[in-house]
Order: sequence, then structure tokens, then C-alpha cells
Amino acid sequence: NAGVTQTPKFQVLKTGQSMTLQCAQDMNHEYMSWYRQDPGMGLRLIHYSVGAGITDQGEVPNGYNVSRSTTEDFPLRLLSAAPSQTSVYFCASSRTGGYYGYTFGSGTRLTVV
Amino acid sequence: GQQVMQIPQYQHVQEGEDFTTYCNSSTTLSNIQWYKQRPGGHPVFLIQLVKSGEVKKQKRLTFQFGEAKKNSSLHITATQTTDVGTYFCAVPGGFGNEKLTFGTGTRLTIIP
Repeated sequence: NAGVTQTPKFQVLKTGQSMTLQCAQDMNHEYMSWYRQDPGMGLRLIHYSVGAGITDQGEVPNGYNVSRSTTEDFPLRLLSAAPSQTSVYFCASSRTGGYYGYTFGSGTRLTVV
Repeated sequence: GQQVMQIPQYQHVQEGEDFTTYCNSSTTLSNIQWYKQRPGGHPVFLIQLVKSGEVKKQKRLTFQFGEAKKNSSLHITATQTTDVGTYFCAVPGGFGNEKLTFGTGTRLTIIP
């Protein structure tokens, strides 16, 4: 099993560009989430999903869109990149209920210039 | 939303010394999870606590959930260089664990 796979690992964008961060899991997990991690800020939830076709906003959703058309995939779209979106992005997944912990991907380091 | 305070923010210890990090919530929690993130790595799930006063051990790591289910601690006995990293607690941010709220973490460094 690959677990949670995130691509790309690194990305540099210019202000105003758009892009999609990919996340795929092969554990048949219903719950999936996107977090951003900034120095001194811990992990902040952007969007989450409890199953295919169901998504909701987290703590910091502005500037990001998500969709969940399949159980396996949960892409994160940056609509118009801003320097404030420079961060490390983690995708995570969990079995229903989230009571067995979340499995995290290895992250995408994004720089917006 | 749910907030959780984690202290200390940083801890530097000599190898072999003990280490403790604490998480405190203003509200009663249904459960709390702990994660470890190595430098440059991703968070890795360590454990979940559910019951009031629960104590769980993983080798040199001891996890406790307070009697009132508002606080929790992670204690490492006789630290080793492999313990280096940031330790996070995480609590339900909504009805359940569909949205986790993470503490700001405690970064542990070991002085050899």
C-alpha cells in the first residue's frame, strides 16, 4: 500500500497563477482533509471531506477549492495564488469516525512569488 | 471552533533526561490524539485517548487523559536522539473527528 500520495512535492508559483495539489489514498478511507503548516502556527485545516461528494470548509478555506468525486482522490485547487499561500500543504485520510488516527501524506512545499 | 493550548512551545533537553508536553482545552473533549512530526517530515499518528483518566504507554512514551477530559500530557522517559521532533495534540473540531484541530506543537531538541 502506498498510503497517502501527494504531488507535486515542491512547487513555485507566480502571484495570480492557479494550480491543483493532488492527493490520493489507497486505504479506502472515507475521511480526507487538507492542512497547511506555517512556522509557529501548527497545522490549520483548510477543507475536509467525509465521503465522496461531500466536502466542507475548515478553519482557513479562503482562496482554496476542493472536490471529492471518488473515495480515493481529494484535490486542492488554488484559484489565484497569493504570497500568503506560501506554506507546506498536507493531505490526510482516516477511516470513518477518525478514531484510528489520520495518515498524512509527505506534503507539498509551495512558494508563491 | 475548538481551541487547544499546548505548552511548552520549545523544549531542549540533555539526552537521557525526561520530557513532558501538555495540552489544555477549555471544554470537555470526547477524545484526544497525539502525533509526532520529525524535522522535514509529516505528522505521524501516535495514539488516541478516549476515557477519563486514561493512561497508555508505548515503550518510553506515557500518554495521559485528565479526569475531566480537558487536558492531556505526553511524557517521554530517558529521551534519545530519535525522539527529536515536534509533538502535536489534536482534538475534535466539530461533532466528531471529521475535522481535527491541532495544537501548536512542542518542538523537542536533544542535546547529545
